[in-house]
Amino acid sequence: KAGVTQTPRYLIKTRGQQVTLSCSPISGHRSVSWYQQTPGQGLQFLFEYFSETQRNKGNFPGRFSGRQFSNSRSEMNVSTLELGDSALYLCASSLVQGGDNSPLHFGNGTRLTVT
Amino acid sequence: AQTVTQSQPEMSVQEAETVTLSCTYDTSESDYYLFWYKQPPSRQMILVIRQEAYKQQNATENRFSVNFQKAAKSFSLKISDSQLGDAAMYFCACFQGGSEKLVFGKGTKLTVNP
Repeated sequence: KAGVTQTPRYLIKTRGQQVTLSCSPISGHRSVSWYQQTPGQGLQFLFEYFSETQRNKGNFPGRFSGRQFSNSRSEMNVSTLELGDSALYLCASSLVQGGDNSPLHFGNGTRLTVT
Repeated sequence: AQTVTQSQPEMSVQEAETVTLSCTYDTSESDYYLFWYKQPPSRQMILVIRQEAYKQQNATENRFSVNFQKAAKSFSLKISDSQLGDAAMYFCACFQGGSEKLVFGKGTKLTVNP
């Protein structure tokens, strides 16, 4: 069974631009979560989707948004990029909503650099 | 609010030796789950071991085991017979029922010396 796939692996953008990251979960997994990883702040929760609905959102500005499609694939979008958005963005999927009975499986991440 | 603290930014161990990584957490809920994830240079977070808070027995997975002290809110990871492939960042994480998100510690970088 294929793992969580994130595309692209690397991305370089300029301040003010917008970016879209993609995540394909493990087949059969319906919950997709997004995390931002930076050296200073560590891993921080962005949002979680289940059955095309955002069920939880972290403490990030409205420039960060996401969506989930009927096939459970998810995208996250960051508008008006700032230098501080440079980070590794990790996507994780699980069988059902939440990580208690179905641990999160992570992708390799998208490394976003904002110049 | 949930918090997870890993007090050791870096640790090193000799190959074949045993090492213990520390983690403390704070949660107001009685229903929660604890995890250790490993992140090698490939960047992929890999689940190492998980512990349900309602279980008193410490979880084990081959060379990996935990020491779960619920009253002290401590969840340490012991790696036995360390191998070069164990070198990675290790993250402790807590999932609290109802919050639908994992809260991670800052991580511990483990170096395995040959």
